[in-house]
Parts: sequence; structure tokens; C-alpha cells
Amino acid sequence: EVQLVESGGGLVQPGGSLTLSCAASGFTFTSYWMSWVRQAPGKGLEWVANIKQDESEKFYADSVKGRFTISRDNTKNSLYLQMNSLRAGDTAVYYCARNGAFDYWGQGTLVTVSS
Amino acid sequence: DIQMTQSPSSLSASVGDRVTLSCRASQGIFNYLAWFQQKPGKAPKSLIFAASSLRSGVPSKFSGSGSGTDFTLTISSLQPEDFATYYCLQYNTYPPTFGGGTKVEI
Repeated sequence: EVQLVESGGGLVQPGGSLTLSCAASGFTFTSYWMSWVRQAPGKGLEWVANIKQDESEKFYADSVKGRFTISRDNTKNSLYLQMNSLRAGDTAVYYCARNGAFDYWGQGTLVTVSS
Repeated sequence: DIQMTQSPSSLSASVGDRVTLSCRASQGIFNYLAWFQQKPGKAPKSLIFAASSLRSGVPSKFSGSGSGTDFTLTISSLQPEDFATYYCLQYNTYPPTFGGGTKVEI
């Protein structure tokens, strides 16, 4: 069974940093692109970033480019999102999702940016 | 960026109804279109990919059609568990973009 489990969310002050993790199981992690998608409270879905199997390609939404970094550790079947210079507008539930068509999603982790 | 426009933004329906949700892309995306169902407090669930291919385990009452710029999701006989918000996604061109969602209510 495919499972994606996010962790690392919490309350952070504006300008602060946070790193999210996503633990993958039930499939061959090294065979898939992986993505982060977020959803602000009461709002729709927004793609944030994705990463190729071997980390050779990474793409970011304009809204996070230069502030967020996506990475993965294929030895640990894990995906990460390093978030710096956080703003109130980054407040959202962050989901990890598998491949370009997002066939599987984790349960999400809430990031709240507030003073 | 490709804009995805879903209509209607919400609809009221009854158990047993056949409902059709629309999604329009601001430019052609071939068939790189997916549909998701999201219930309150839960993660989105993939229903359809490649515009019309049903995900394994998804009931056949869900069907998708379209190509290019106009797409539809049809639920043939609405059941209580189908009341949710539905999103479309284009994954033909970076950045991947979602529609604003259609909330299906009783």
C-alpha cells in the first residue's frame, strides 16, 4: 500500500524557517518524481515544487522560488521541503504527492506563519 | 501560466442525480488533465488521469472526457459519500495548475 506521511509543520514567525519531511513507503521511491502541493485555509490547491528521481531536475512555483528548496534522500525514501523567509501567505497545509499527476497524497502537515 | 476555470463553483444536487462538472484550460493541454475529490479536512484523492482514465479502485460512476481545452467530470448517480469539492489539474505545462474547485452540496 502506498503511504506518504508528512511531518515537520508548526507555528513559525514571519521571516523564520521550517523543514518539512515526507516519508514514503509501499512503492519504489526512486522510480517517481515527487511534489509538494499546498492549500491555504479555506482555499484551493497550489503546486509548490517538484523533483526528479535523481534530483537532477527541480522546479518551483514563482511564489516560493528563491525561498524554498526541495530535496530527497533516496536511501531513506524521504522527500523534504526547506522553507526560508516564511511569510503569512505561506500559511497552509502542505501535502507531498507522487509523480506529475499526483496519484497519491499524504495527509498533510499544517504550517502557520504568524507572530 | 495556464489558467484552469471550473464551473460551476458550487452546485446543489440530490442523491441519485447525474451531475456534470466542467473544467476549461486557457490554452490547449492535450489530455494532461486530472480530477481530484476532496472532503473537508482530508487530502485530495485522485479520481481520473489523462482526462478519461479511471484510477484503480475508483467507482465506475465517475467518468471523465475532453481534450484540448474543455473537459468534464460526470458522476452518474450521486451518493452521500460523493458530496465533496472536486478539482481539476493540468499537468501538461509548468507550472502545474489547479482549477478553483466545484463544491457539490446537497
